[in-house]
Amino acid sequence: NAGVTQTPKFQVLKTGQSMTLQCAQDMNHEYMSWYRQDPGMGLRLIHYSVGAGITDQGEVPNGYNVSRSTTEDFPLRLLSAAPSQTSVYFCASSSPGQGLNTEAFFGQGTRLTVV
Amino acid sequence: RKEVEQDPGPFNVPEGATVAFNCTYSNSASQSFFWYRQDCRKEPKLLMSVYSSGNEDGRFTAQLNRASQYISLLIRDSKLSDSATYLCVVTAWPGTASKLTFGTGTRLQVTL
Repeated sequence: NAGVTQTPKFQVLKTGQSMTLQCAQDMNHEYMSWYRQDPGMGLRLIHYSVGAGITDQGEVPNGYNVSRSTTEDFPLRLLSAAPSQTSVYFCASSSPGQGLNTEAFFGQGTRLTVV
Repeated sequence: RKEVEQDPGPFNVPEGATVAFNCTYSNSASQSFFWYRQDCRKEPKLLMSVYSSGNEDGRFTAQLNRASQYISLLIRDSKLSDSATYLCVVTAWPGTASKLTFGTGTRLQVTL
């Protein structure tokens, strides 16, 4: 089972460049999220989606855009990369209504460096 | 103040030891609680959900104290393979694993 697939795994960008981090899940999960992980900060929520066509901002949304045209895909766009966006990005998916046994499944991460 | 606080460690323990991690959260509206495990340079994976009554999964025991807004994880008979970072995670969305708030993690190193 593929689960949550993120591409690319590594990326180096120059300041001001734009790019899209791809995330796809094959579990038919309604909920998808993007997090960034920085040393000493833990994972922080960038954007999330509760279904196709519905997105909302998380804790650190500035500089990022998302869209959710299908259940499977949730791309994250960096509009104009800045060195402060150097981080490890994780996409996650989950299904609502699972009660206490609910689980978020994470992709393998994208390591982004902005120079 | 961080919404979820953890001691970053590292905790260095010998194989077979018992080790306990603590976590406090500040949002009293938090509804669901988890411990995730993250190996070096890998993605987080669910270790266990935390129930109000406390729960056990093999060598792992999790406790929740809603009044004190405190979560704990106890690992008994530590194995070398338990070496990882343990993330305390909460969400205010009941019954979901979305909109998660993470602690910075506690690093465990189990040695021979």
